Amino acid sequence: AQKVTQAQTEISVVEKEDVTLDCVYETRDTTYYLFWYKQPPSGELVFLIRRNSFDEQNEISGRYSWNFQKSTSSFNFTITASQVVDSAVYFCALSDLIYNQGGKLIFGQGTELSVKP
Amino acid sequence: DGGITQSPKYLFRKEGQNVTLSCEQNLNHDAMYWYRQDPGQGLRLIYYSQIVNDFQKGDIAEGYSVSREKKESFPLTVTSAQKNPTAFYLCASSMDRGPSNQPQHFGDGTRLSIL
Repeated sequence: AQKVTQAQTEISVVEKEDVTLDCVYETRDTTYYLFWYKQPPSGELVFLIRRNSFDEQNEISGRYSWNFQKSTSSFNFTITASQVVDSAVYFCALSDLIYNQGGKLIFGQGTELSVKP
Repeated sequence: DGGITQSPKYLFRKEGQNVTLSCEQNLNHDAMYWYRQDPGQGLRLIYYSQIVNDFQKGDIAEGYSVSREKKESFPLTVTSAQKNPTAFYLCASSMDRGPSNQPQHFGDGTRLSIL
């Protein structure tokens, strides 16, 4: 069955620390997509990144970077030099062709990141 | 600006009452989705629609109903059959309905509580 696990429920760091949010997924499909979303206190989900299963290149966008490892079914997210504005709940999500039908997403439970000044 | 508008931001439901949550998008997206979020949990799919006049049940459709009469609108009705409606409801849309998995864009959400 398709599943996304974010084992870290809450993480608290001090500003300027680096922090990694873990995401482990399960799927039987060979073609799938992985996503990260940020949910600030205001509530809306903000899209951060999408990767497909054939592209294992790591990606960096400013202070954000993502490490995709098919061998361990993980898609981890690192924030370098964290800032207070990074405080939010972060969701990892999976979409694959078996479950897909219309781009349905399977979400992890989320990791609440708190960055203290 | 293009985006997704959900209203109201807060909604209260009385016992036995149906309430409707509004979702409008001006992104010209084909697909629209409704999710429910409970505290400390991820999002769960209620209903989705890939095209006007068509919609499909998600994982937790019982006690909810939707319509898709216009491309830009996808209202969700929480019926009296939904015994535990208190949650945060998020509407989303995406560009296409195929397997290309374009990112979903989300509204600001509606927080529903029971009186």
